[in-house]
Amino acid sequence: AQSVSQHNHHVILSEAASLELGCNYSYGGTVNLFWYVQYPGQHLQLLLKYFSGDPLVKGIKGFEAEFIKSKFSFNLRKPSVQWSDTAEYFCAVKGGNTGKLIFGQGTTLQVKP
Amino acid sequence: DTAVSQTPKYLVTQMGNDKSIKCEQNLGHDTMYWYKQDSKKFLKIMFSYNNKELIINETVPNRFSPKSPDKAHLNLHINSLELGDSAVYFCASSQGLGQGSYNEQFFGPGTRLTVL
Repeated sequence: AQSVSQHNHHVILSEAASLELGCNYSYGGTVNLFWYVQYPGQHLQLLLKYFSGDPLVKGIKGFEAEFIKSKFSFNLRKPSVQWSDTAEYFCAVKGGNTGKLIFGQGTTLQVKP
Repeated sequence: DTAVSQTPKYLVTQMGNDKSIKCEQNLGHDTMYWYKQDSKKFLKIMFSYNNKELIINETVPNRFSPKSPDKAHLNLHINSLELGDSAVYFCASSQGLGQGSYNEQFFGPGTRLTVL
């Protein structure tokens, strides 16, 4: 069965610090990978996505993620966080042809000004 | 224009009641979904429909009944509401079911259901 594991449940950083959120998945076949962000009280927004090609993908707001197939990982990075990045971050995987997105448990990022 | 819209945004109701949440997408997509986000913010798929046909039913209690009157709408009806149904429900849509960038899912704003 597919599953997604996010390593960090709660991360606290100061502004300008670098960010890396871990995400590992288990699935035997081809996958599509996503990172979503949910700002307080808001709906899910897509940060970035990987379907194929260059494993380093760039998203909105300065975020990027690297797909490492051998490690089944899709870690999210940002070189310098801002207070406005405070939010919940979700990694998600889609495998197969059912359209089903499997989400990780989420990581709460708190950025201190 | 809102791509995926849900009504209502907030729903507060008593245990035992029956309620519906509506979802509409104006993207021309063939596939729609319902996800549940629990109090710990864990997101899980409940249903998916493709061309009005049920594709996924993720062991959801049969008190939950999705209805797709047409491809642009996927409503969620919940009978005999229980305390544990309190959650945020997100609707989403995509062009199709398979993998590929054209099947990216777009999410609605969510409906926060509170059962008292």
